[in-house]
Amino acid sequence: EDKVVQSPLSLVVHEGDTVTLNCSYEVTNFRSLLWYKQEKKAPTFLFMLTSSGIEKKSGRLSSILDKKELFSILNITATQTGDSAIYLCAVRPNNAGNMLTFGGGTRLMVKP
Amino acid sequence: EAGVAQSPRYKIIEKRQSVAFWCNPISGHATLYWYQQILGQGPKLLIQFQNNGVVDDSQLPKDRFSAERLKGVDSTLKIQPAKLEDSAVYLCASSSDRGGYTFGSGTRLTVV
Repeated sequence: EDKVVQSPLSLVVHEGDTVTLNCSYEVTNFRSLLWYKQEKKAPTFLFMLTSSGIEKKSGRLSSILDKKELFSILNITATQTGDSAIYLCAVRPNNAGNMLTFGGGTRLMVKP
Repeated sequence: EAGVAQSPRYKIIEKRQSVAFWCNPISGHATLYWYQQILGQGPKLLIQFQNNGVVDDSQLPKDRFSAERLKGVDSTLKIQPAKLEDSAVYLCASSSDRGGYTFGSGTRLTVV
């Protein structure tokens, strides 16, 4: 059974801090790892990672995948209060089903 | 491109009552998913459809949950009878053959 574990469970920082969120996984026949941001209900897509060592970057957010050690990190630099959300990591297997297995999420709170 | 539409947005029912949720996926997306997200946890797949056929319903509590996708477009998820532990956000998502994955805004169910 595919498994995704995220850490920490929750994090409180102040504006301007840098945070690193962790995601480790076990999956049969890995295809990709995805990061989502969830503020209210609908998760919104951040990154999809398929290859090791290649950093994906979008503004102050970046992410990298290590397929040998089976983990990914999501970095947020110069955090803002608008970054407060739950960050979800999910893995997608390489099969016809295409379903995502999610971790439990990291709840980030950024204080002014 | 219109997103994944879900209704209702909120629903409060008493235990042992029945409830139904509706989802309209992105036009042309053959695959539709229903996820259950209990507060403080990541989304968990309940059922996956490919067109109007079920691909995976291994985690659907079939004694009380049912889902259908008539004509391979809209889908409904029903709970009958509801239990307190069914309180959650029910997320619908759809994906294309190329794998693009989009979530709807979800339905927040409270069972009292």
